[in-house]
Amino acid sequence: GAVVSQHPSWVICKSGTSVKIECRSLDFQATTMFWYRQFPKQSLMLMATSNEGSKATYEQGVEKDKFLINHASLTLSTLTVTSAHPEDSSFYICSARDLARMASNYGYTFGSGTRLTVV
Amino acid sequence: AQKVTQAQTEISVVEKEDVTLDCVYETRDTTYYLFWYKQPPSGELVFLIRRNSFDEQNEISGRYSWNFQKSTSSFNFTITASQVVDSAVYFCALSEVLTDKLIFGTGTRLQVFP
Repeated sequence: GAVVSQHPSWVICKSGTSVKIECRSLDFQATTMFWYRQFPKQSLMLMATSNEGSKATYEQGVEKDKFLINHASLTLSTLTVTSAHPEDSSFYICSARDLARMASNYGYTFGSGTRLTVV
Repeated sequence: AQKVTQAQTEISVVEKEDVTLDCVYETRDTTYYLFWYKQPPSGELVFLIRRNSFDEQNEISGRYSWNFQKSTSSFNFTITASQVVDSAVYFCALSEVLTDKLIFGTGTRLQVFP
């Protein structure tokens, strides 16, 4: 079945540094990828939608200059948290759209998530 | 705008009890999809079911069953004879064809005690 690889699974960084999270579709091409953020004991909040070769579309309230999303190829999207601060500590999950799996899960295939801790 | 409400924040049951997780949604789209996901402590999302807006048939899969009622905009999930391994956070989600975004509810934390 479709697999989405997300790396790293966890990362600890110092305040003020930048962190890059990768989301890779391993056996399918994903023209659309989604990035979510989940604070402890809360829901998954959609941050942005990225389409291959174009600029990401950010949800209201998400700072695009802080959360840089790049979807340069059909199998890779990256989320860079720039100048990270402790309040950015969260669980980040990506989802890649596999159009071949529309009949089952409507194509939404999730990575295993990245737990970011900013100290 | 699409919205998903899961009024139950936490539910605790004893093993073998039946439990129903409620989900109410809002959408202006006539074509949409509803989902349930399980999120164990590891954080990974486990897909459970997808239902489209034109299919109101209820579904049963082993101990799991889903009741979709368009008249009340609800898509409830029942676990029969619950087990400790069912302990997790369960999310209901909605995707509109128009926006193509998958929006999650607030989640219900289910704890099944032995």
